[in-house]
Amino acid sequence: QQPVQSPQAVILREGEDAVINCSSSKALYSVHWYRQKHGEAPVFLMILLKGGEQKGHDKISASFNEKKQQSSLYLTASQLSYSGTYFCGTLPYNTDKLIFGTGTRLQVFP
Amino acid sequence: DGGITQSPKYLFRKEGQNVTLSCEQNLNHDAMYWYRQDPGQGLRLIYYSQIVNDFQKGDIAEGYSVSREKKESFPLTVTSAQKNPTAFYLCASSIVAGYSNQPQHFGDGTRLSIL
Repeated sequence: QQPVQSPQAVILREGEDAVINCSSSKALYSVHWYRQKHGEAPVFLMILLKGGEQKGHDKISASFNEKKQQSSLYLTASQLSYSGTYFCGTLPYNTDKLIFGTGTRLQVFP
Repeated sequence: DGGITQSPKYLFRKEGQNVTLSCEQNLNHDAMYWYRQDPGQGLRLIYYSQIVNDFQKGDIAEGYSVSREKKESFPLTVTSAQKNPTAFYLCASSIVAGYSNQPQHFGDGTRLSIL
């Protein structure tokens, strides 16, 4: 029941774009996105609530396709500070706890 | 500043020993959570609590115990029954549990190792 994230790892040069996908086998009420730097606490990025919703945070945005039970995180014109591991957390209907994916490790080089 | 404080940052356990990880929050959040993080496996829920004096098992509760006697505190005990306790433990809180628009706020974690 753990959501599947893809790809598992991404290597970018500064200024390049990336897409991280999160796919669930369950019908979802919402999707959360977090970023964690090595040895630190995960930091909240955004929550997507409705099917087809899109949100943005600086040059990081995301979409949520409720029908497909999928969410995608878009990183545009990546910066060195974007490096870290990105986790999606899914909230299925009729539950009260997030289920986190296994993470996507993103490395941005100068 | 409001936040979540976990202590200690590093902890070592001997065979057969119980150890307790501390988690305190001053965000006035009702819900608190404990997660275990192993390399390549993301965050797995151990226990969570929606209100004082109440808590529920998560996906990997065996070998762990918790208490929630105060709103701001949610300590986790790793018992000797947990045969593979080496991991990074994260405590989190949210305003309430289960509401889809409530983000979780995380502490800086405790890294537990076996001696």
